[in-house]
Amino acid sequence: GNSVTQMEGPVTLSEEAFLTINCTYTATGYPSLFWYVQYPGEGLQLLLKATKADDKGSNKGFEATYRKETTSFHLEKGSVQVSDSAVYFCALSLSYNTDKLIFGTGTRLQVFP
Amino acid sequence: NAGVTQTPKFRILKIGQSMTLQCTQDMNHNYMYWYRQDPGMGLKLIYYSVGAGITDKGEVPNGYNVSRSTTEDFPLRLELAAPSQTSVYFCASRRLAGGTQETQYFGPGTRLLVL
Repeated sequence: GNSVTQMEGPVTLSEEAFLTINCTYTATGYPSLFWYVQYPGEGLQLLLKATKADDKGSNKGFEATYRKETTSFHLEKGSVQVSDSAVYFCALSLSYNTDKLIFGTGTRLQVFP
Repeated sequence: NAGVTQTPKFRILKIGQSMTLQCTQDMNHNYMYWYRQDPGMGLKLIYYSVGAGITDKGEVPNGYNVSRSTTEDFPLRLELAAPSQTSVYFCASRRLAGGTQETQYFGPGTRLLVL
């Protein structure tokens, strides 16, 4: 079946450290891939997306590249800030499945000054 | 635009009670979705709708019902609440064009506790 696997958290970093959150997927067909972020007490917000192989999504200093050969969409940021502390969800969407999002379990990021 | 709004923000129910979670979007989106998020887990799709009058089951529909009489509103009904329905519920919407590339916009969530 279709699924998304994320690294378990929490990920704890000091400010200005490099961030990687791993995400791999299993899908039949050609999914679109997303990273959503959930700040404390809020709903999910789209952070970035990529719709085909080798696309790179980027936003707010975060980047992720759609790697079809490794079925991965790892999230990276060169220098994290305290304000980046949140839960990050990787997700996929498949056209034949009426665009329902399939989410990973989420990775909590904690950034300390 | 207010985006996607949900009411109430928080509710405590007794076992066996029923309630309706409200969701409204003002973006004229065709697609609407209900998800639940259990602690430490990703979101699971409960029901979705591709337009007024059309709804379908998602991954975890048991114990819930929905209706879509207008484009704007997509209420979720819980009948005979059970402790297993303790969760945070998120409503989302997206527009029709663009298919899977389109962003889903989420509401702030409703936290439900069933005791």
